[in-house]
Amino acid sequence: EAQVTQNPRYLITVTGKKLTVTCSQNMNHEYMSWYRQDPGLGLRQIYYSMNVEVTDKGDVPEGYKVSRKEKRNFPLILESPSPNQTSLYFCASSLSAGVRNYGYTFGSGTRLTVV
Amino acid sequence: AQSVAQPEDQVNVAEGNPLTVKCTYSVSGNPYLFWYVQYPNRGLQFLLKYITGDNLVKGSYGFEAEFNKSQTSFHLKKPSALVSDSALYFCAVSSDSNYQLIWGAGTKLIIKP
Repeated sequence: EAQVTQNPRYLITVTGKKLTVTCSQNMNHEYMSWYRQDPGLGLRQIYYSMNVEVTDKGDVPEGYKVSRKEKRNFPLILESPSPNQTSLYFCASSLSAGVRNYGYTFGSGTRLTVV
Repeated sequence: AQSVAQPEDQVNVAEGNPLTVKCTYSVSGNPYLFWYVQYPNRGLQFLLKYITGDNLVKGSYGFEAEFNKSQTSFHLKKPSALVSDSALYFCAVSSDSNYQLIWGAGTKLIIKP
């Protein structure tokens, strides 16, 4: 089944403790992206990747890191999480982010709470 | 800059009645428009998209959307609402001059029996 897999689904952590949220897709998609979803703010893009070893900042990159060493994986790293990073996170992938956008496939989400 | 607006935070409709969820956009160039749905505790699912061609686009679960260039709108519609349509709906836009998807804030659709 074609899908985007995120782990974990739920995570409660303490301020300052480094964490990684994994994202993997099995569709050979070039484009991958991380979003956070907060009530009333919709989806805000954190980082995106056009292909392996190519990443770029989205609208809200502060406090986050990403890497794209393999085409299928796009982990989101919080080096020192803070309470304002408590949110619902989604990973998404697309065949391409170019002209005539193909649309995204989303993971099921990771609900992160930082206390 | 590209932008998209969903003017209603919430829409309430009785089961069996037609529903409309509104979306307006602003882009440079030709727009590419999308609707996604999010059910509770789930990721977003693609409903339909407009790239070019007929202004009326048909999608999943009986939904359709009408592209109106003069009004820069892409409203989501369904002739007869089901309780199971209750969810959060997102409109998104990109264009041939800026491929990044810009998302609306979402509209909560509540269908009452």
